[in-house]
Amino acid sequence: EVQLVQSGGGLVQPGGSLRLSCAASGFTSSDHYMDWVRQAPGKGLEWVGRSRSKFKGYTTDYAASVKDRFTILRDDSKNSVYLQMNSLKTDDTAVYYCVRLGTNSATGTGGWFEAWGQGALVIVSS
Amino acid sequence: DIVMTQSPLSLPVTPGEPASISCRSSQSLLYSNGYNYLDWYLQKPGQSPQLLIYLGSNRASGVPDRFSGSGSGTDFTLTINRVEAEDVGVYYCMQPLQIPPTFGQGTRLEIK
Repeated sequence: EVQLVQSGGGLVQPGGSLRLSCAASGFTSSDHYMDWVRQAPGKGLEWVGRSRSKFKGYTTDYAASVKDRFTILRDDSKNSVYLQMNSLKTDDTAVYYCVRLGTNSATGTGGWFEAWGQGALVIVSS
Repeated sequence: DIVMTQSPLSLPVTPGEPASISCRSSQSLLYSNGYNYLDWYLQKPGQSPQLLIYLGSNRASGVPDRFSGSGSGTDFTLTINRVEAEDVGVYYCMQPLQIPPTFGQGTRLEIK
């Protein structure tokens, strides 16, 4: 069974740093694109960033709102993905979800968000 | 960025009745491979979002067949042919065609 178990949320002051973890089970995370999506309190879903598969060199992309502050990291030995968040702002307060992207090798398609972690709440406040 | 616009934003439905949600994109989501890159997600109260429909009309594993997706290009529809109580929550459309992936505002389905 595919599972994404998240940890690492909490309260942090503006300007501080926090690292979120996403431990994968039931599949090899290095074979998959892994994204992060966030949801501010009472708001909709916002894409944060992407780490492509090991085959694609673990290249990354980020939303403009977090670029140069957030970094997606991988640890294949732990089958895990991380979101390193620096220079946090109050606007970064949200539940952060780790997501595995789906693919279909038969059709050469992919990109849907087929598995989600349980979410981790990050509160940025003084 | 591609802008996704959903309607309605609130949808009260009587159990057993049909329901539909519209999603429009600011650019065509029809790729050169013939697939429409449009997904639908449901976020039930207190839960993480879950995939319902991908590539416009493909039901995800385990999704009941009362859910269906249709449309092409810039206009898409999610249809629930007989709403059940367990279908309450917020429905989002999303385009994965271009970076950044973008979501609609969400449609809150409630039971009358």
